[in-house]
Amino acid sequence: RKEVEQDPGPFNVPEGATVAFNCTYSNSASQSFFWYRQDCRKEPKLLMSVYSSGNEDGRFTAQLNRASQYISLLIRDSKLSDSATYLCVVNGGGSTLGRLYFGRGTQLTVWP
Amino acid sequence: GAGVSQSPSNKVTEKGKDVELRCDPISGHTALYWYRQRLGQGLEFLIYFQGNSAPDKSGLPSDRFSAERTGESVSTLTIQRTQQEDSAVYLCASSLFPPTGLAGHEQYFGPGTRLTVT
Repeated sequence: RKEVEQDPGPFNVPEGATVAFNCTYSNSASQSFFWYRQDCRKEPKLLMSVYSSGNEDGRFTAQLNRASQYISLLIRDSKLSDSATYLCVVNGGGSTLGRLYFGRGTQLTVWP
Repeated sequence: GAGVSQSPSNKVTEKGKDVELRCDPISGHTALYWYRQRLGQGLEFLIYFQGNSAPDKSGLPSDRFSAERTGESVSTLTIQRTQQEDSAVYLCASSLFPPTGLAGHEQYFGPGTRLTVT
């Protein structure tokens, strides 16, 4: 079983739409959770960390459900510039505490 | 401040040749990671250095791949006798690990080295 699983998409939405991505992780000992964004032919960049209580950064809201080992990212009022691949990222537990495990990514295209 | 830098940005090599890729992490970051990303694919973990601990080499695909790190600074990834399937973008990342409070686990990536084996 993979450490992190995501729906690969693609998601195609019009500008202004609200879109949600989900991911599940397998290691119940994981403590740190992130969403990264990767533009075509570029390196991944940290979008936001995900905290237990949930957190918001402008149009982006991240939620964590430890009991279900589930993470979500909500993007409101989508912009053309939001088009990218969104990577769900979880740290390992125990002996792999320093490792981050990356999902395969969910591709988003926002159209005019 | 300066981010993670990698060199060269692009490398074209002939099958069978050795290549060396370089990564300069963010100053003060104790952990350094190498990943490989083939076209249209996800990130593939290769190796992880943390301070003076033995590196986690569990992701290296074969004994043709090796990496070194000098203290908490520069790292080099070496691929010997390159094969066409080694063609990919090789990404380096660094982080503050061990974390301080809520921060530290997040990794910051360099721009990558695009390797093409002909």
